[in-house]
Amino acid sequence: GESVGLHLPTLSVQEGDNSIINCAYSNSASDYFIWYKQESGKGPQFIIDIRSNMDKRQGQRVTVLLNKTVKHLSLQIAATQPGDSAVYFCAVTTGGGNKLTFGTGTQLKVEL
Amino acid sequence: DAGVIQSPRHEVTEMGQEVTLRCKPISGHNSLFWYRQTMMRGLELLIYFNNNVPIDDSGMPEDRFSAKMPNASFSTLKIQPSEPRDSAVYFCASSLRGSNNEQFFGPGTRLTVL
Repeated sequence: GESVGLHLPTLSVQEGDNSIINCAYSNSASDYFIWYKQESGKGPQFIIDIRSNMDKRQGQRVTVLLNKTVKHLSLQIAATQPGDSAVYFCAVTTGGGNKLTFGTGTQLKVEL
Repeated sequence: DAGVIQSPRHEVTEMGQEVTLRCKPISGHNSLFWYRQTMMRGLELLIYFNNNVPIDDSGMPEDRFSAKMPNASFSTLKIQPSEPRDSAVYFCASSLRGSNNEQFFGPGTRLTVL
């Protein structure tokens, strides 16, 4: 089965610095990858996604990098702001299906 | 757009009681998902529906859990009888299958079983 893990449970950064959150997945057939942000008391919110035919995708202040060789996914947040404080989850699907497997989450803390 | 609507937002009940959680997906979405979130196990998919039909219920922990989707705009997750270890936040999410599969989550129901 699929397992998805994160390298660090907690990441603390200074406001204005860049943040990098990492995720490893186990199934080489995984073909769709999503990053979600979850603020306290709320449901996960979509941030950015990437398909397996790409290795990089950029959004507003966020970039997702995919390394299929080592089955690694990262989320980069530029100029981290206090509003970025949340738990970040990676999620993957396999075979074009819509069943997501979520990682355990990384708590991002932004220090002023 | 109101987003995914869940009710109740908080539920406190006693062990052995029946609990029913409700979800209204985003209008036009044809896939619906029920998740459970705990500190120990993170986000777990319990069951999901495509076009109101249950597709994968392998995540449903026990026969005490059941889910229904009688129509495209409503789903329930029932726990009968409830146990303290069922205490968690239960999320409903919906998506438009065939698009990029982005799932939109509701605000969740925080369940406490005493």
